Amino acid sequence: NAGVTQTPKFQVLKTGQSMTLQCAQDMNHEYMSWYRQDPGMGLRLIHYSVGAGITDQGEVPNGYNVSRSTTEDFPLRLLSAAPSQTSVYFCASSYSRLAQETQYFGPGTRLLVL
Amino acid sequence: SQKIEQNSEALNIQEGKTATLTCNYTNYSPAYLQWYRQDPGRGPVFLLLIRENEKEKRKERLKVTFDTTLKQSLFHITASQPADSATYLCALDDLGGYNKLIFGAGTRLAVHP
Repeated sequence: NAGVTQTPKFQVLKTGQSMTLQCAQDMNHEYMSWYRQDPGMGLRLIHYSVGAGITDQGEVPNGYNVSRSTTEDFPLRLLSAAPSQTSVYFCASSYSRLAQETQYFGPGTRLLVL
Repeated sequence: SQKIEQNSEALNIQEGKTATLTCNYTNYSPAYLQWYRQDPGRGPVFLLLIRENEKEKRKERLKVTFDTTLKQSLFHITASQPADSATYLCALDDLGGYNKLIFGAGTRLAVHP
């Protein structure tokens, strides 16, 4: 099992550009989520999905879109990048939506918006 | 307001000693609390979960306590080793049992030989 994979590892964007951060898991997990991590702050939830076709907003959803057409994939789209979106992005998955489930994290995508 | 607090300053200890990390929270009523380890440039890795009705949980050299009255969890690493050097994150559930985890900012632990 590859676990949770993310691409790209690193990306530089100009303000106003759009891009998609890819996330995939091969563990048949129901629940997937996106977090961003900034210095001195905890991981903050952007969007999450409890199954294919079902997504919902987390704590900091503005400027980001998600979709979940398959169990495996959960891409995160930045519609018009802003410098405030410079961060490290982590995708995570767990077997179910229940809070006692272990979350498995990907290696992260480091994004710099100029 | 709701918040989770972990020591922002790094914890420096000598090899072989016990490291104790603190996680305090306010205005949450979590059913579960989890601890993760994060190495530089990598994603967090799950270590331990403790339920609200459990006082203590152990796994090898790791021990977690959960005091819902004090709204605090303590994370202990006994007989610490340089390989334990990392950032440790606590996380709790925000919806009384559903997996919307709220993370603390983490405490960096440095174990010196």
